[in-house]
Formats: sequence, structure tokens, C-alpha cells
Amino acid sequence: GENVEQHPSTLSVQEGDSAVIKCTYSDSASNYFPWYKQELGKRPQLIIDIRSNVGEKKDQRIAVTLNKTAKHFSLHITETQPEDSAVYFCAPRGATNKLIFGTGTLLAVQP
Amino acid sequence: KAGVTQTPRYLIKTRGQQVTLSCSPISGHRSVSWYQQTPGQGLQFLFEYFSETQRNKGNFPGRFSGRQFSNSRSEMNVSTLELGDSALYLCASSLEGQGFTQYFGPGTRLLVL
Repeated sequence: GENVEQHPSTLSVQEGDSAVIKCTYSDSASNYFPWYKQELGKRPQLIIDIRSNVGEKKDQRIAVTLNKTAKHFSLHITETQPEDSAVYFCAPRGATNKLIFGTGTLLAVQP
Repeated sequence: KAGVTQTPRYLIKTRGQQVTLSCSPISGHRSVSWYQQTPGQGLQFLFEYFSETQRNKGNFPGRFSGRQFSNSRSEMNVSTLELGDSALYLCASSLEGQGFTQYFGPGTRLLVL
């Protein structure tokens, strides 16, 4: 079956530093790669996504890079702010056409 | 546009009972997906409905079922509740399905005693 791993499981950074979260997947047919952010007690929200024909996508302080050969994609957050503190989930879509969510990364941005 | 809404927001049931949860998608969205979120298992896909048909399902027992109405509203039902069914149940709507942005509702928190 599909296997999705996220690393690290927790990440603590100082405000202004960069944060990188990596998502590794097993299904080589995966073609859609979103990242969701879930703040404490709130619903998950899409923050950025990328499709398999693109290697990198950037939206202000957030970027996603995709390495299809190695079957991983990463979330990059620059100039982190306290409001970036949340749990981040990757959720690649594979051949079964389902989003398979990773186990989540708890990001804590220390002011 | 109004966001995705779910009712009820909180529910307490006892083992053996059944429960029905409701989800109203964003207007114009035809796909509704359901997820179970627990601290131990994370976010797990239950099923997806599109135009009143179940288009995809996850690895959950048959006690978990759902349906979608002609107005795209969806319900999920869990029969013969078990303690392990205690979770946050999230629904998400999207324009066309799992390859499009999922807009999540606030969730229904179910506690099984």
C-alpha cells in the first residue's frame, strides 16, 4: 500500500530562521503534492501544492520542492514568525486517487 | 461563499450505539471527502463522494458508511460504535476531487463511552 513519512516529527526554530519539512512517499504514480497547516483546535488548511510536472513552487515565504526520482517533496518556510507555529501535513495523491496524509510535523517558532 | 459546515460539532455516545454526522460543502463543490483524525493514527481517509456516488474509500470496516444527496450535502454513519471510534471527524469539499484543494469543515468531535 501507499506509505508516507514525514520528518522531522517536531521542529523548533527561532523567529526569523528557516524551517524545512520533508515528506517521503512510496507510490511512484503520485502526481499531486499538497501541504496542509493545522493550527491548534482548528481545521487543516492548504498552504501550497505542486503537481508532478513542476519541480518547485513559491508563494511569498513558503516554497515546495519536488524530487520525483527520489520520491520526496519538501516544505520550506523562510523568515518564520510565531503565527507559523502549527502542525504541518503532507498529503501526496497516488494511483488510488486518495490523499494519504503524513503523520504531521509540529513546528514551534520561538519569539 | 460560506465555508464547509458540519453538524453536530460535539457528540457523546455509548458503545454499541450508532451515529450520523452531517457535512454541507461549499456551494458548487461536488466532491465531499471524510477523514478521521486521532492522536495515534493521524488523519485517515474514510471515503469520497462525488455526484451522489462513492468514488473512493479507505481501509475502514463496513460499520463506517456514507452517502451524498443531490445538493452535495453528505452524511456519514457509524454503526455499533466502539471506544476506538472516538475521534475528530472532518469532512472536506472540493470542486472535483482529491486532486484539488480540499476545504475542511470544523469537524465533529465524537466521544464514545
